[in-house]
Amino acid sequence: SAVISQKPSRDICQRGTSLTIQCQVDSQVTMMFWYRQQPGQSLTLIATANQGSEATYESGFVIDKFPISRPNLTFSTLTVSNMSPEDSSIYLCSTDRGHSEAFFGQGTRLTVV
Amino acid sequence: KQEVTQIPAALSVPEGENLVLNCSFTDSAIYNLQWFRQDPGKGLTSLLLIQSSQREQTSGRLNASLDKSSGRSTLYIAASQPGDSATYLCAVNQAGTALIFGKGTTLSVSS
Repeated sequence: SAVISQKPSRDICQRGTSLTIQCQVDSQVTMMFWYRQQPGQSLTLIATANQGSEATYESGFVIDKFPISRPNLTFSTLTVSNMSPEDSSIYLCSTDRGHSEAFFGQGTRLTVV
Repeated sequence: KQEVTQIPAALSVPEGENLVLNCSFTDSAIYNLQWFRQDPGKGLTSLLLIQSSQREQTSGRLNASLDKSSGRSTLYIAASQPGDSATYLCAVNQAGTALIFGKGTTLSVSS
């Protein structure tokens, strides 16, 4: 199994500011995924992050709003930029080691006021 | 495009009952199916992973089955407890994609 440490676990931010979420995996993984879960909804994929290349974003998500870094095989960050109340969600990182069992971080509960 | 549906959306049962959560998917070309548990405001905990070649997996009081040809999976919880109260999510893994999730079943077990 893989253990993913995600931080912060929660934050309350002012609109117009940015928040960077970090995920550290306890072993090397090729792909990491970032999801958003809006209140009362299921998970929606934001982007896929491979080490050494730019992240691939899903429809409706753009790099300027959600820049992602993947500096090595155990670490990734997601930044939520120029936040508005609509960005209030739980953000989760995940890895699946190539079509095997997927593991998730503890989630970051973001509230924008 | 793969779609995952979970029924029911919510379920309330008294402690001790056995219950079944349902998951269906539209495209049978999957690598695996995974059941997760999510507590309010928290991340996801993996419960069971069923590979596409398998029919079922068991862990303690949980049993998950997979009928790939019909696009269905069930999660059976035996002798439910208040601590089982959470949202249960089903997700499928396909070639070239990340997990595709259903909307979940929110379970409440009363003592």
